[in-house]
Order: sequence, then C-alpha cells, then structure tokens
Amino acid sequence: AQKVTQAQTEISVVEKEDVTLDCVYETRDTTYYLFWYKQPPSGELVFLIRRNSFDEQNEISGRYSWNFQKSTSSFNFTITASQVVDSAVYFCALNYGGSQGNLIFGKGTKLSVKP
Amino acid sequence: EAGVAQSPRYKIIEKRQSVAFWCNPISGHATLYWYQQILGQGPKLLIQFQNNGVVDDSQLPKDRFSAERLKGVDSTLKIQPAKLEDSAVYLCASGSYTEAFFGQGTRLTVV
Repeated sequence: AQKVTQAQTEISVVEKEDVTLDCVYETRDTTYYLFWYKQPPSGELVFLIRRNSFDEQNEISGRYSWNFQKSTSSFNFTITASQVVDSAVYFCALNYGGSQGNLIFGKGTKLSVKP
Repeated sequence: EAGVAQSPRYKIIEKRQSVAFWCNPISGHATLYWYQQILGQGPKLLIQFQNNGVVDDSQLPKDRFSAERLKGVDSTLKIQPAKLEDSAVYLCASGSYTEAFFGQGTRLTVV
C-alpha cells in the first residue's frame, strides 16, 4: 500500500530559526515521485519540489533544502533562517503512478513562524 | 498565465441538499483532477479526467458524487444529497503528465 506519514502535526519557531519537516513514505513501486507542497491560508496548494526515486541528490533552492534517503524512505524538508511568510501548512506527497497529479498526501505539518 | 479557477469559493448548505462546484483549468491542460480535503487532513483524489474521459474514479463515492468534464475543458463536481461528513475543501487541479497546478478550492460546509 502507498502511504505518506508526516509525524509532526504542528511546529512553532521564532523567525531566523532553521526548521526541518519530516516525511516518511511507503511504496512497493521502484519508480515513483515525491513532492512537497505549501498551503498558505488562502488555500491554494503551491508546488515546491518534485523528486524521482532514482535521484537521491540533495537539493537546495534558496532557503529551502530537501534530503531524500531511500534507505530510510524519507524525504525531509529544511527551511533555513525561517521567515514569517513561511507560515503555512506543508504537505509531502507521493505520486503513485500515471500522471503527476495522482498524489497521495500526508496529513500535513502546520508551521508557525513568529517574529 | 491564468491559474486554475474555481467557484464558488464558499458554500453552506443543509444536509440532504444538492451542491455543484465548477472548475476552469489552465488553458491547454488535458488532465483535470478533483480532490477532497477534510479539515486537518491532506487532500484525497476523488476523480481524474484525461480530456473528457474518466481515468480514475476509484475513490469517488458514486452513490452521491458525480463529476463531468464536457468538451474536455471545464468540469463540475456535484454532491446529491450532501451529508455532514462532506464538509471539506474541494480542490481542482489541472496539468500535463509531468506537473499539476491547484486552484484555491471551494470550502463546503454542510449543516
């Protein structure tokens, strides 16, 4: 069965702190994609990153970085020097085949960054 | 480029009433998805269209939910009759094979 677990329900940090959001997934497929989405209060899901199962290189984009480890089935997301605008719910998702919109989402982690 | 448009943004209905949501995807996107997001949970895929054909509706409660995508562009999702547990945000997404873009959703409250 396909499953995505985000064990952290809510995280609160003070601005400029680093924060890591955890994601653990389960799949029997050898080819799959992992995603992170941001959901601000407006409700729209904003795409952050997609990773395929054959690429375990860590990725950095500005203050965002992602650590993908197949050995532990984890795809963690780190925000460096957090800002108030980073406050949102963050979802990790697994593509279970076919087109990229076929996603299984975790329950999300609500991040609150306080000034 | 215009994003995925959904309407209405909010809807409150009584249980056993009917409701319909509308989605206008990004121009040129052949694939359209409807997701249900219950408060405190991640979105769950209800149905996927490729042009005007259904690709996956395995998680759509077909006894009360229906969806169509006429002419392979706009789509409507209907609930008839609504139950209290249908209270959720209904998200529409469109995309190509390699990516999907989400609309802002319709927040449904069933009282």
